[in-house]
Amino acid sequence: QVQLQESGPGLVKPSQTLSLTCTVSGGSISSGGYYWSWIRQHPGKGLEWIGYIYYSGSTYYNPSLKSRVTISVDTSKNQFSLKLSSVTAADTAVYYCARAGSSTVGFDYWGQGTLVTVSS
Amino acid sequence: DIQMTQSPSSLSASVGDRVTITCQASQDISNYLNWYQQKPGKAPKLLIYDASNLETGVPSRFSGSGSGTDFTFTISSLQPEDIATYYCQQYDNLPTFGPGTKVDIK
Repeated sequence: QVQLQESGPGLVKPSQTLSLTCTVSGGSISSGGYYWSWIRQHPGKGLEWIGYIYYSGSTYYNPSLKSRVTISVDTSKNQFSLKLSSVTAADTAVYYCARAGSSTVGFDYWGQGTLVTVSS
Repeated sequence: DIQMTQSPSSLSASVGDRVTITCQASQDISNYLNWYQQKPGKAPKLLIYDASNLETGVPSRFSGSGSGTDFTFTISSLQPEDIATYYCQQYDNLPTFGPGTKVDIK
């Protein structure tokens, strides 16, 4: 059973960089066939896809966030990470990591989510 | 960007009722459409993939249909545990989600 777990600071100051890591267990990122994804949900709002990465390092980002987002992968640790720069209060959200198939891009495994608050 | 709309934004129905949610894409997405259920405080759960295929372990009262720009999600007999918000998601291009439909018990 694949499991994903987000980790990182729950509080980030405005203008700084939000950094989160997702640790994958029960399956190897290196095996291929999946996009490793970040999705966020503003309080009381809907879901917003941030971006995803393939094990090879190919990345795809939401155009509305592309200038501030970097997703990377560390296959040796079976982890992938999110960096979001120049954050504002509008980036306060629950951040989820998730796995999606590369053919049918459905997000079939999710982390529990982590709330990141942007505040001074 | 492909925009997704859903209707209604919320609904109340009685246990045993048939519930239908629609999702519309701003352009043809073939059958590249998935449906999710999200309960409060929990991560979303994939229910339907490729418009009409039931994810393993999902009860058969859930179903989906459609192709092109218009899609439908149905709960054939609403159960108390189905109280949740339901989202559609397209992947014809980069993924986008619909705004969600909140389902309550009347």
